Amino acid sequence: GQNIDQPTEMTATEGAIVQINCTYQTSGFNGLFWYQQHAGEAPTFLSYNVLDGLEEKGRFSSFLSRSKGYSYLLLKELQMKDSASYLCAVRDKGDKLIFGTGTRLQVFP
Amino acid sequence: ETGVTQSPTHLIKTRGQQVTLRCSSQSGHNTVSWYQQALGQGPQFIFQYYREEENGRGNFPPRFSGLQFPNYSSELNVNALELDDSALYLCASSLSRFSDGDEQFFGPGTRLTVL
Repeated sequence: GQNIDQPTEMTATEGAIVQINCTYQTSGFNGLFWYQQHAGEAPTFLSYNVLDGLEEKGRFSSFLSRSKGYSYLLLKELQMKDSASYLCAVRDKGDKLIFGTGTRLQVFP
Repeated sequence: ETGVTQSPTHLIKTRGQQVTLRCSSQSGHNTVSWYQQALGQGPQFIFQYYREEENGRGNFPPRFSGLQFPNYSSELNVNALELDDSALYLCASSLSRFSDGDEQFFGPGTRLTVL
């Protein structure tokens, strides 16, 4: 079956670092995406990994281990505006994305 | 370059009715995917269209149907609405289903409420 697991909620303090984990079991794998979604808004693209390793993009980094079916999103120097849901999604066959339920991150001052 | 747009923004229907949701893809994108997002959940894949043909379908009943037009805009039709169909419906376009790493650009969504 298709299964993507990520924590439901996380909290962190402004200026801190937070790591959001994602584990997946899917019938196919053509890359893993992280999206940010603010309440009531559309998901916006953060990162893409298809090979093992770390991809860095400013304050955000994403890591992938295909052998372990594992990824994480690392957010550094947290800001209040980073309070949002973070969605882990695996691209299965074709261009179909399978999403986890999302991790709701709350950043406190 | 315009982004993905969807209409209407919000919609209220009653059980048994039919609804049509519309999506305009980002310029140059020939692939569109539709997702249903229930409150507190991640988006669930409904189906995808590539150059006017259905190219994959998720675990949704046949009363969910779609169309893609020559200009790559798209419609999602839902017949015989049920209460559980209440959700945010997201349309996402991408450059090509064959391109690795191509992100899907999401529209703002249509919030459907079924009473």
